[in-house]
Amino acid sequence: ETGVTQSPTHLIKTRGQQVTLRCSSQSGHNTVSWYQQALGQGPQFIFQYYREEENGRGNFPPRFSGLQFPNYSSELNVNALELDDSALYLCASSWGEGVGYEQYFGPGTRLTVT
Amino acid sequence: GIQVEQSPPDLILQEGANSTLRCNFSDSVNNLQWFHQNPWGQLINLFYIPSGTKQNGRLSATTVATERYSLLYISSSQTTDSGVYFCAVEQGTSGTYKYIFGTGTRLKVLA
Repeated sequence: ETGVTQSPTHLIKTRGQQVTLRCSSQSGHNTVSWYQQALGQGPQFIFQYYREEENGRGNFPPRFSGLQFPNYSSELNVNALELDDSALYLCASSWGEGVGYEQYFGPGTRLTVT
Repeated sequence: GIQVEQSPPDLILQEGANSTLRCNFSDSVNNLQWFHQNPWGQLINLFYIPSGTKQNGRLSATTVATERYSLLYISSSQTTDSGVYFCAVEQGTSGTYKYIFGTGTRLKVLA
């Protein structure tokens, strides 16, 4: 059984640029959620994708967008990067939407915006 | 919105000691998970426990959903238990799900 994988591991971008982060869900899982974790804080929920549609969203602006593909992998896109976007971005997968399904996390992508 | 608070925020133990971590939440939730975040940032699943009691080796957890709290017990602590412990709760229905992490408990176990 393959766990949740994310790429790249680390990334450095300049303010104003755009970035795409990728996540492959654990085998057998069809739901992907994305989180942002700033240094010293807990993860903040960005959004969840189920059956290729957004299934829930946290308090993040529209410049944070995502996709889920038919193989259940997912992308997180962030436009017009700001310095405060520097964080660890975590992806989690689960079998089924929401209620009753345990989430499993990938190792994260550490994004630095300069 | 829902508030998820964990206590204590920081904890230092001698190896072999026992501890109890608490997670309080301000509204009803669909489910609750406990995680251990290691120094490299990886979140490791400890328990999926929307209600009741579970045990896994030296760790156990209890959630009393009606009273809106969960407890994580660590017995005979080891240096490898060091890290940050988070509880996370889920609210909402299809199309409106939200997941909220607690404030975390930073644990350091001394040899």
